[in-house]
Amino acid sequence: AQRVTQPEKLLSVFKGAPVELKCNYSYSGSPELFWYVQYSRQRLQLLLRHISRESIKGFTADLNKGETSFHLKKPFAQEEDSAMYYCALIATNAGKSTFGDGTTLTVKP
Amino acid sequence: DGGITQSPKYLFRKEGQNVTLSCEQNLNHDAMYWYRQDPGQGLRLIYYSQIVNDFQKGDIAEGYSVSREKKESFPLTVTSAQKNPTAFYLCASSGQGYQPQHFGDGTRLSIL
Repeated sequence: AQRVTQPEKLLSVFKGAPVELKCNYSYSGSPELFWYVQYSRQRLQLLLRHISRESIKGFTADLNKGETSFHLKKPFAQEEDSAMYYCALIATNAGKSTFGDGTTLTVKP
Repeated sequence: DGGITQSPKYLFRKEGQNVTLSCEQNLNHDAMYWYRQDPGQGLRLIYYSQIVNDFQKGDIAEGYSVSREKKESFPLTVTSAQKNPTAFYLCASSGQGYQPQHFGDGTRLSIL
């Protein structure tokens, strides 16, 4: 069975501080991992995926297969980063998707 | 913006009634998904379809049914067997090769 765990429901940081949103997964195969974001009154949308290895809006995420983690990081948080963040996995053997419960990030001025 | 359209935005169901939620996409995506979202919880997969005329159960399929007769459409029926249907329902689609999912605006279903 595949599973995604986001241990923090709520995360609050001050503007300019580093932020890390944790994501751990369990899956026996080689997963496709994603971070999605939902800003207030907007649709859920892709933030980044592990295979592209790019930085979006200053966020990066590294897949650590040894620790089965895919934590999302940003060195200097901005107020506009306040949103709900979901980590998601797609099983490459069946196409089934699994989302974590989400982390609400609040960046205080 | 376009892409994925869910309708209606709000839906009310009487006890013992089946209701159907619509999901249409014009992205030419092969895969489509239905999720349920409850307060304080993440998205839970109800059904998914990777190709026309084929679909698989997700983690919480009981009390729901789907069809995939056309590539662009993936309607979800909430049957009377679903004892706790009040929730927010999200539809998504993605291209081949485990591409990122594109989401609709959702349908909020309530029981009268």
